[in-house]
Amino acid sequence: KQEVTQIPAALSVPEGENLVLNCSFTDSAIYNLQWFRQDPGKGLTSLLLIQSSQREQTSGRLNASLDKSSGRSTLYIAASQPGDSATYLCAVKETSGSRLTFGEGTQLTVNP
Amino acid sequence: GAVVSQHPSWVICKSGTSVKIECRSLDFQATTMFWYRQFPKQSLMLMATSNEGSKATYEQGVEKDKFLINHASLTLSTLTVTSAHPEDSSFYICSAQRGRLSNQPQHFGDGTRLSIL
Repeated sequence: KQEVTQIPAALSVPEGENLVLNCSFTDSAIYNLQWFRQDPGKGLTSLLLIQSSQREQTSGRLNASLDKSSGRSTLYIAASQPGDSATYLCAVKETSGSRLTFGEGTQLTVNP
Repeated sequence: GAVVSQHPSWVICKSGTSVKIECRSLDFQATTMFWYRQFPKQSLMLMATSNEGSKATYEQGVEKDKFLINHASLTLSTLTVTSAHPEDSSFYICSAQRGRLSNQPQHFGDGTRLSIL
């Protein structure tokens, strides 16, 4: 059974700092890995999707990497802003179907 | 594109009431829809997967008679929580996907906050 773990559970940083969020998964037979953002009481916004054959994806200040063999992904946020404050979830899609398995998220607070 | 609308966004009702939540794909045909449940400060747990025109596939531990899922059209799936009790209070989120293949992304609704008194 696939298990996804995210570290740290919570992170508080001053504005402008670069930061890294970590995600690990136990079964490397994944189809892709996705990073989402969730604001309080809201649904999910997809940030980046990395296919299993890819090593990284970039969008603006965000960069996600994937090391499938070691079961790890990182989300790098450059020059953090207060508007980045949210919970960040990573999820893996298994090759055997369409189901997504989510980590428990990292709650990020960027202080002005 | 790929907008998913979930309704209602918040429900408060008495214990024993049945509650229906709708999930609509507004600008695409969703062959497959997923229902998730999220407790405070926890992650999303998949409850069931529904394919249009067929019965939903429930995850282990999810009572199919308690959580009724109907996916009668390519743009609408409903989740009915029957005879809801306080322990059913949670945040329910749906997602919709074009097709049944793994290469299709899931698009998420904004969720429904269910509070049972």
